[in-house]
Amino acid sequence: QVQVVESGGGVVQPGRSLRLSCAASGFSFSSYGMHWIRQAPGKGLEWVAIISYDGINKYYADSVKGRFTISRDNSKNTLYLQMNSLRAEDTAVYYCAKDSNNWGADYWGQGTLVTVSS
Amino acid sequence: DIVMTQTPLSSPVTLGQPASISCRSSQSLVHNDGNTYLSWLQQRPGQPPRLLIYKISNRFSGVPDRFSGSGAGTDFTLKISRVEAEDVGVYYCMQATQFLYTFGQGTKLEIK
Repeated sequence: QVQVVESGGGVVQPGRSLRLSCAASGFSFSSYGMHWIRQAPGKGLEWVAIISYDGINKYYADSVKGRFTISRDNSKNTLYLQMNSLRAEDTAVYYCAKDSNNWGADYWGQGTLVTVSS
Repeated sequence: DIVMTQTPLSSPVTLGQPASISCRSSQSLVHNDGNTYLSWLQQRPGQPPRLLIYKISNRFSGVPDRFSGSGAGTDFTLKISRVEAEDVGVYYCMQATQFLYTFGQGTKLEIK
């Protein structure tokens, strides 16, 4: 069955960096786009970034553009989110989600919590 | 960016009764390819979001048929024909017609 499992979250000081990973299984990873979507504590969902199946095309939310980088390693079935210059407002649960290649995100992971605090 | 507005924000419902959630977009969600990329997600307490409905009215794999979606253009509705206890949670609409993808604020469904 389709599974995506995030890791790499934790507590980090403002201005520092963190890299999230998402291990995918149960589907042909190299054939699908992938998303990162986040949810601040007690808040709604905010789409962060998407990467095409081949890693060539990437789009970002304005709130993270220039600070976050989405990437993937199809040989390892793994998606990444490199987060630099972190701010308190980046505190959230970060979800990895598979794109349907048609209508948007379909399968979501359990999420990993990132807390930006001094 | 396309703004998605849901109503109501909270919906107390009696078990076995129907429920309805509305979602309105700030511009048409009809894509250049003719499709409308409007989805509905369910987030149960303490759980990640789960896809229920895609392209307005298509139920995703494993979703009970008491869930249905309808609408067109800028106005969409999620209906639950008979609410069950496991339906408690927050429901989000999401548009994937235009980058960046955007979500509604969420509607909290609770049992009276």
